[in-house]
Amino acid sequence: SQTIHQWPATLVQPVGSPLSLECTVEGTSNPNLYWYRQAAGRGLQLLFYSIGIDQISSEVPQNLSASRPQDRQFILSSKKLLLSDSGFYLCAWSPRDPTGELFFGEGSRLTVL
Amino acid sequence: KNQVEQSPQSLIILEGKNCTLQCNYTVSPFSNLRWYKQDTGRGPVSLTIMTFSENTKSNGRYTATLDADTKQSSLHITASQLSDSASYICVVHSNFGNEKLTFGTGTRLTIIP
Repeated sequence: SQTIHQWPATLVQPVGSPLSLECTVEGTSNPNLYWYRQAAGRGLQLLFYSIGIDQISSEVPQNLSASRPQDRQFILSSKKLLLSDSGFYLCAWSPRDPTGELFFGEGSRLTVL
Repeated sequence: KNQVEQSPQSLIILEGKNCTLQCNYTVSPFSNLRWYKQDTGRGPVSLTIMTFSENTKSNGRYTATLDADTKQSSLHITASQLSDSASYICVVHSNFGNEKLTFGTGTRLTIIP
């Protein structure tokens, strides 16, 4: 069966510090991978999606970047965090079929102070 | 622009009671609609998928309906349990264009004993 792992679960970082959130998927090949952010009381906002290694699409301009160095690894990064980067970050994967189902990780709570 | 609107934003009901959550969408062309359940601090999990030809689908105590003509869906929860307390997110999938998945902002459901 397929599983998705995301870490760290909780992170408290000062403004201006770097960020690295990691996500790995097991039990499937060539998944579509996604990073979402969920602000308090808000819907899920798509940040990045990837259809393959080194193929990253950004949905919104921001202080963040994403990389996919391996087929089942997706990394969310920032060189200098802003207060507005605080939120709940979710990694997700979907198979290549057209049903659109997303399988989410457990999420990473980022607080920037 | 594709949009998904959910109502109510929040709902509090007594344990054992029924409730219905609403989802209206303007996504076109329509491929399918999913309801996700998101427990606090966790990633969303798919409850059910509705395709164009389906009117009603049940998953245990959850029953989803779809009216493709009026572009409305509902999620009915029967005999609510404390574990039903969560956010319920409606997501509409379009297999054309750049906006493949459109998320609603969710309904926060609280079940009280």
